[in-house]
Amino acid sequence: DIVLTQSPDFQAVTPKEKVTITCRASQSIGSSLHWYQQKPDQSPKLLIKYASQSISGVPSRFSGSGSGTDFTLTINSLEPEDAAMYYCHQSRSLPLTFGGGTKVEIK
Amino acid sequence: EVQLVESGGGLVQPGGSLRLSCVASGFTFSTYGMTWVRQAPGKGLEWVSGISGSGDTTLYADSVEGRFTISRDNAKNTLFFQMNGLGVEDTAVYYCARPIEPLRVMTALIYWGRGTLVTVS
Repeated sequence: DIVLTQSPDFQAVTPKEKVTITCRASQSIGSSLHWYQQKPDQSPKLLIKYASQSISGVPSRFSGSGSGTDFTLTINSLEPEDAAMYYCHQSRSLPLTFGGGTKVEIK
Repeated sequence: EVQLVESGGGLVQPGGSLRLSCVASGFTFSTYGMTWVRQAPGKGLEWVSGISGSGDTTLYADSVEGRFTISRDNAKNTLFFQMNGLGVEDTAVYYCARPIEPLRVMTALIYWGRGTLVTVS
C-alpha cells in the first residue's frame, strides 16, 4: 500500500499568514495526488486535483505543487474560515489511501 | 446540482449486518464509478470500496474484503453497501463519493454525501 505522510500534524497560524502543508508518498505516484479540506461535522471538500490543478469555486489562495513523492499544499494569506483539517489522497494505485491529516487552527 | 444522500446507518451489535444506500441526483449516474469512504470518530479518512459505472468492476480495501459488498442499481440511481460481520473497528461515518471524471474510480473525489453513522457496539 502507498503510505502518505503529512506534516505537520498541527499548525496554528495568524490570519493573512502563509500556510504550507507537505505530503510525502512512500513510492512515486506521479501527479495522482489530491487535497481536501474538512471542517468539523462536514464532508470533505476537494481543493486541488492532480497535485496542482485548481478546482472551480475554490479560492485562488489555495494552490498545490509537487510530483513523484513530495507534494505541497499552500494557503496564501490564511482566512479565518480556512481553519480545518487538510488531507492528501493518492489515486495512483489500489488501495486508494489518504494522509493522516493536518489540523490548521487560527491563532 | 449534484446530490448524494446516504442512509441506512445505525447501531448494530458485533457480528451483525447493515445495508447502506446512497441516492444520487444531478448527474448521469451510470456514467460514473462510485466510492465509499469511511471516517472513524476523531480519525482520518479511509477508502473502503469502489465500483465502476456499469457495476462490473468492484474494488475493496483489505479491511472489508469478504465481509462487505458494493453494488449499484443504475435504474434507481442508487449505490449500496452491504456490510456483514461487522466489528467495533467498523464504527465510522460512511460517505459515498463521486469521482471528478466519468468512467474512472481511481481519481479525485469531488462530490460527497453528508455521511451516515454506523456504530458497532
